[in-house]
Amino acid sequence: EVQLVESGGGLVQPGGSLRLSCAASGFTFSSYWMHWVRQAPGKGLVWVSRINGDGSSTSYADSVKGRFTISRDNAKNTLYLQMNSLGAEDTALYYCANAPGHKNPPDSWGQGTLVTVSS
Amino acid sequence: DIVMTQSPDSLAVSLGERATINCKSSQSILYSSDNKNYLAWYQQKPRQPPRLLIYWASTRESGVPDRFSGSGSGTDFTLTISSLQAEDVAVYYCQQYYSTPYTFGQGTKLEIK
Repeated sequence: EVQLVESGGGLVQPGGSLRLSCAASGFTFSSYWMHWVRQAPGKGLVWVSRINGDGSSTSYADSVKGRFTISRDNAKNTLYLQMNSLGAEDTALYYCANAPGHKNPPDSWGQGTLVTVSS
Repeated sequence: DIVMTQSPDSLAVSLGERATINCKSSQSILYSSDNKNYLAWYQQKPRQPPRLLIYWASTRESGVPDRFSGSGSGTDFTLTISSLQAEDVAVYYCQQYYSTPYTFGQGTKLEIK
């Protein structure tokens, strides 16, 4: 059974940083593309970033480009999202999700980790 | 960026009746090299993560009831629930995965009439 468990969320001040993690199990992690998608409270889904299986290819939404960095450690079956220069607009539930290839949509999703940016 | 627009924003349907949700992309998401539409539908129930229902515009994900179907091509797509059940109350999102950023529609809230 595929399991994706996010962690690392919490309360952070504007301008601060946070690193999210997503622990994966139940599938061959290194063979899958991985995505981060966020959802502000009461709002819709917003795609944030994706990374290929070996970590050599990444993409970002314009709203986070230059501030967020996606990475992965295939030896640890873990996906990361380093978030810098956080603002109130980054407050959201952050989901990780897997996809079998770059031509596939996000498939299995975690439960999410909540990031709150506030002073 | 490709803009995805869903209609309606909310919908109330009687149990057993048909529910139809539309999704329009700002440009074609039909990939000519494989003749596939890069369009997915998700269902999100309260306090749950999204669940993938449909991909390639019309292929049901494993385990999804056959009352859910997807159709359309190019820029116009439809999710149909043939006979609404109580457990189908949720917000439904379309998403294009033709090109990054993989944009979502704004969501359609489906309720029981």
